[in-house]
Amino acid sequence: AQSVAQPEDQVNVAEGNPLTVKCTYSVSGNPYLFWYVQYPNRGLQFLLKYITGDNLVKGSYGFEAEFNKSQTSFHLKKPSALVSDSALYFCAVRVAGSARQLTFGSGTQLTVLP
Amino acid sequence: ETGVTQTPRHLVMGMTNKKSLKCEQHLGHNAMYWYKQSAKKPLELMFVYNFKEQTENNSVPSRFSPECPNSSHLFLHLHTLQPEDSALYLCASSRDGTTPDPNEQFFGPGTRLTVL
Repeated sequence: AQSVAQPEDQVNVAEGNPLTVKCTYSVSGNPYLFWYVQYPNRGLQFLLKYITGDNLVKGSYGFEAEFNKSQTSFHLKKPSALVSDSALYFCAVRVAGSARQLTFGSGTQLTVLP
Repeated sequence: ETGVTQTPRHLVMGMTNKKSLKCEQHLGHNAMYWYKQSAKKPLELMFVYNFKEQTENNSVPSRFSPECPNSSHLFLHLHTLQPEDSALYLCASSRDGTTPDPNEQFFGPGTRLTVL
């Protein structure tokens, strides 16, 4: 079984401040974890993924995510938010070594205030 | 753009109409997917095709009928839909949908469907 939770529907942050979008997961085994972003009237765009190795993963547009196995979390972070980062963010998980399809979270709307 | 295109971008149809959604990928991928996106709900995987063969159907009602004539094209045929089927329908592709490798998916912009 695999599932992912994004506990916040909405996150607001001031431009220039650090941002965090939370994600927790549940899998029966090791996880592959993904973050996607969706801008208005667009499809989802891949940001980054965790497979194995370093717990800190760097991705597109200055985003990074930290894998924490003990807390089963994969929070998305950025040191300094931009207004253009405002979008809908999705976390996704699948079991490593399995051909099962991705399970997505319900999404978190990030709004960066100027 | 991601290399995955979808047409039309918007569609309004009555419950008795028949329409089709089209998806095309220019990435040389072998797996294609249909998802349904409703507000404040997780993406719902509907169908998966690998090398033109359907490998997954997540209990989707028969009023949705997919077709994959080749690895680059994917259709979703719609008939006698219900108002609750109104949503954004997203197409995606990946290198291979059957491998355990963590290949990311590339998404099209979606078709916004409204059923009256």
